[in-house]
Amino acid sequence: ETGVTQTPRHLVMGMTNKKSLKCEQHLGHNAMYWYKQSAKKPLELMFVYNFKEQTENNSVPSRFSPECPNSSHLFLHLHTLQPEDSALYLCASSHSGASYEQYFGPGTRLTVT
Amino acid sequence: EDQVTQSPEALRLQEGESSSLNCSYTVSGLRGLFWYRQDPGKGPEFLFTLYSAGEEKEKERLKATLTKKESFLHITAPKPEDSATYLCAVRGSNSGYALNFGKGTSLLVTP
Repeated sequence: ETGVTQTPRHLVMGMTNKKSLKCEQHLGHNAMYWYKQSAKKPLELMFVYNFKEQTENNSVPSRFSPECPNSSHLFLHLHTLQPEDSALYLCASSHSGASYEQYFGPGTRLTVT
Repeated sequence: EDQVTQSPEALRLQEGESSSLNCSYTVSGLRGLFWYRQDPGKGPEFLFTLYSAGEEKEKERLKATLTKKESFLHITAPKPEDSATYLCAVRGSNSGYALNFGKGTSLLVTP
């Protein structure tokens, strides 16, 4: 595997379900990110981890819970979501340092029914 | 607060018809301006980073330029495979690790 991978690629879940999104980066980076991309809206940053420590939480509802066990893996745990949470969830990684570009995974298309 | 505005929202070109996409920004202390390409159903693909006014970068048919208020992505003699959404993002000195994205320009190149 190369680059940034995400699983699953597609997910349909009910409002009472619990599911998790997984991201893995093979680039030797130390910073990882979760973004949300909704139709007709810019990408919205959700969470940032730098060397496994959460450094930013962009006022994200508690029904989204991130986990970063090491610098290569990032999870987003989902529970009691709302239909408006349906979107493309993108993971990204970069070298540690604010001037570095971020590399994105293919995303997970989430539909909440 | 950092702001990014991209124009036009959508652009249709004939193959070979050169044009430019615009990214206007306001940021406190620019730490980088980033261009990405995004194909439908895929994650954004990194193209360029520009750090200071006057800087230019090129890759195949694409050339990115930067001034103190805007960046242009020039597409020379585009091909149908250049069809995609092009995203611009900035990071300011108060942004931490966050990238502030515009809504993108959807480019369609027809044969």
